[in-house]
Amino acid sequence: ELKVEQNPLFLSMQEEKNYTIYCNYSTTSDRLYWYRQDPGKSLESLFVLLSNGAVKQEGRLMASLDTKARLSTLHITAAVHDLSATYFCAVAPSTGNQFYFGTGTSLTVIP
Amino acid sequence: EAGVAQSPRYKIIEKRQSVAFWCNPISGHATLYWYQQILGQGPKLLIQFQNNGVVDDSQLPKDRFSAERLKGVDSTLKIQPAKLEDSAVYLCASSRTGYEQYFGPGTRLTVT
Repeated sequence: ELKVEQNPLFLSMQEEKNYTIYCNYSTTSDRLYWYRQDPGKSLESLFVLLSNGAVKQEGRLMASLDTKARLSTLHITAAVHDLSATYFCAVAPSTGNQFYFGTGTSLTVIP
Repeated sequence: EAGVAQSPRYKIIEKRQSVAFWCNPISGHATLYWYQQILGQGPKLLIQFQNNGVVDDSQLPKDRFSAERLKGVDSTLKIQPAKLEDSAVYLCASSRTGYEQYFGPGTRLTVT
């Protein structure tokens, strides 16, 4: 059974600080996705990483993928309150288009 | 381009009752997914359709859940009879290529 683990599960960080969320997965995959979910809302696509070494950045968020280590990171730079949300990674195995989601990381940015 | 539409947005039922959810995917998207998201967890795939055929329903509790996608467009997900543990948000997603999924707003189901 494919497992996708995120850590930390909960993250409280001060504004202007940096932090990293980790996503580990247990199967061969070359596709990894990051989503954001605000309370009571649906999932918003943030990044699609399609190859080993892929790095994408949007504003204060940067995602990377290491397929050999089966690890993706979501780095937050100089956090602001608007980034408070739950962040999910999702993995698609090399065979098939099913997405397997991690447990989510609930991020709270405090002044 | 219109997004994935779902209805109803909220539903409260008593256990042992039945309920149905509706999803209209983005126009032209051949693949449609239903996910169950229990509070505090990531979405779990229930069923995947490619046009009107089922690709994967391995995690669908078939004794009480059913889904169909007639004509390869709209889809309905039904629960009969509902149990307390079915309380969750049911998300529909669609995809044109299989490489990205676009999610609808979800239906929040509460079973009392």
